[in-house]
Amino acid sequence: AQSVSQHNHHVILSEAASLELGCNYSYGGTVNLFWYVQYPGQHLQLLLKYFSGDPLVKGIKGFEAEFIKSKFSFNLRKPSVQWSDTAEYFCAVIARDDKIIFGKGTRLHILP
Amino acid sequence: GAVVSQHPSWVICKSGTSVKIECRSLDFQATTMFWYRQFPKQSLMLMATSNEGSKATYEQGVEKDKFLINHASLTLSTLTVTSAHPEDSSFYICSARETGGGTEAFFGQGTRLTVV
Repeated sequence: AQSVSQHNHHVILSEAASLELGCNYSYGGTVNLFWYVQYPGQHLQLLLKYFSGDPLVKGIKGFEAEFIKSKFSFNLRKPSVQWSDTAEYFCAVIARDDKIIFGKGTRLHILP
Repeated sequence: GAVVSQHPSWVICKSGTSVKIECRSLDFQATTMFWYRQFPKQSLMLMATSNEGSKATYEQGVEKDKFLINHASLTLSTLTVTSAHPEDSSFYICSARETGGGTEAFFGQGTRLTVV
């Protein structure tokens, strides 16, 4: 079965630090990959997505993610985080049966 | 972006009663909607895929008689938790994809259900 693994459950950083959140998926076929963010008290929002083409994907708010097929990974990065990036981040994959499978999420706290 | 509205945002009900949660796509049509459940500090677990005009497809381990899903129109899907018990207390989230609009899903704000 398809699955998504997020390695970091809780990350605490200071403002201006660099961020990388890990995401690995298990599925051998063609995948569509997503990162969603959920700010406190708000809906899930799409940060970025990868369907095909350039494996380095740029999203909103300065986030980017790199699809590395050989590693089954889609890590999320941001060179300099802000306090407003405090949120929960979910990696997700759409696999063959068109279902969206989510990772367990990473709770990110940015210290001002 | 497209808006998905979920109602109510939170509900408290007595054990043994039923609760209905609505999921509406406000500015687009959605042939397919998804219902998720999220336990504290855990991921969103897909419960079922709701298809307009046909029966929902339930994930393994999800009781279809307990979680009734109806997708009567292209903009509305409902989840009814029947004979709710305290262990059904959770955060329920729906998402919808625009018909013919690709694979991006838009999410409702979620419903926190507490069964007492």
